[in-house]
Amino acid sequence: DQQVKQNSPSLSVQEGRISILNCDYTNSMFDYFLWYKKYPAEGPTFLISISSIKDKNEDGRFTVFLNKSAKHLSLHIVPSQPGDSAVYFCAASLLIWSTSYGKLTFGQGTILTVHP
Amino acid sequence: EPEVTQTPSHQVTQMGQEVILRCVPISNHLYFYWYRQILGQKVEFLVSFYNNEISEKSEIFDDQFSVERPDGSNFTLKIRSTKLEDSAMYFCASQTSGVGDTQYFGPGTRLTVL
Repeated sequence: DQQVKQNSPSLSVQEGRISILNCDYTNSMFDYFLWYKKYPAEGPTFLISISSIKDKNEDGRFTVFLNKSAKHLSLHIVPSQPGDSAVYFCAASLLIWSTSYGKLTFGQGTILTVHP
Repeated sequence: EPEVTQTPSHQVTQMGQEVILRCVPISNHLYFYWYRQILGQKVEFLVSFYNNEISEKSEIFDDQFSVERPDGSNFTLKIRSTKLEDSAMYFCASQTSGVGDTQYFGPGTRLTVL
């Protein structure tokens, strides 16, 4: 199942700089997208989401951009902090009511390391 | 802040044994999910549950798996006869209702099948 792909397994960034994590999807029925952060031995923690009617959503240091025509979304973290070091998962779901309501399809994850 | 809890944190079992993984979702949530993550792989959807019945299940969720909400607070995943390939982290998640609500995940149960 490759409907959601994160092609970069890892990303290394200097503290204070911008981190950009990318995600591509193939299923044009997806209309709600989320980013989760995960530390080892913990469950995924929700970060930020965006619905397909928007192209940008911002929450503090985190901004998600959605390009529907390219089926691409990205998470920007500015400024990056060492505490941001974790695995970041992109996930997608159907927003409209359907038999698959709520089911999240995840990407493989990107390991972000922020160096002091 | 309310959170999803899961017990046990680690379960070791022999192949062929039954295991029950337990979850306590956030109290006002109505939609419940189980996901799993095999080491080094993606987080995969197993099953969704609403109004005391399964809404959707994946191909992974075969007859060996079952879910239950026995008492209005706990949400359990049972694997009747475990296989080696069932070894994974199992995550429970819950969600309120309505379009676009966030799913909140528990810390997971690491299942090791020997």
